[in-house]
Amino acid sequence: EAQVTQNPRYLITVTGKKLTVTCSQNMNHEYMSWYRQDPGLGLRQIYYSMNVEVTDKGDVPEGYKVSRKEKRNFPLILESPSPNQTSLYFCASSLSGAGGGGTQYFGPGTRLTVL
Amino acid sequence: GENVEQHPSTLSVQEGDSAVIKCTYSDSASNYFPWYKQELGKRPQLIIDIRSNVGEKKDQRIAVTLNKTAKHFSLHITETQPEDSAVYFCAALRTGTASKLTFGTGTRLQVTL
Repeated sequence: EAQVTQNPRYLITVTGKKLTVTCSQNMNHEYMSWYRQDPGLGLRQIYYSMNVEVTDKGDVPEGYKVSRKEKRNFPLILESPSPNQTSLYFCASSLSGAGGGGTQYFGPGTRLTVL
Repeated sequence: GENVEQHPSTLSVQEGDSAVIKCTYSDSASNYFPWYKQELGKRPQLIIDIRSNVGEKKDQRIAVTLNKTAKHFSLHITETQPEDSAVYFCAALRTGTASKLTFGTGTRLQVTL
């Protein structure tokens, strides 16, 4: 089954404790992206990746890191989480970001709470 | 950068009526405009999209129109049903070397019986 998976689905942590949210897709998509969703603000792009080893900042990259060492995986790293990073996070992938647009398939979401 | 504004933030219609959600964008180079539907507690899912070389696109009860001159696009849902109740997001993208998808802030649609 074609899908985007994220882990964990729920996480409660404390300020400053490094964490990683994993994202994996099995559709051989080139483009992957991370979004955060906050009430009244919609979905805001954190980072995106056009292909392996190619990443770029979205609109709200501060406090986050990403890596794209393999095509299928795109982990989101919070080196020192703070309470303002409490949010619902979505990973998404699409066949191609450049020159095509196209359907983005979203993962199930990760609800993160930073105390 | 791109800025997408979406209105209204909430919309309540009676079953069978039509619903219209409007978005404006700022970057005249944006050329791909998807609409996503997010049901409560679920992930966003693409329901329809339009590219800048097309003025209108329909898929059963859903249609999207695009006015490039005015830089706005709209989602039209006809004969609304209770299962249409959800949050709808518009987005804009300039395809090319960098592909940052910018979303609107969402419209909560409530279809009442």
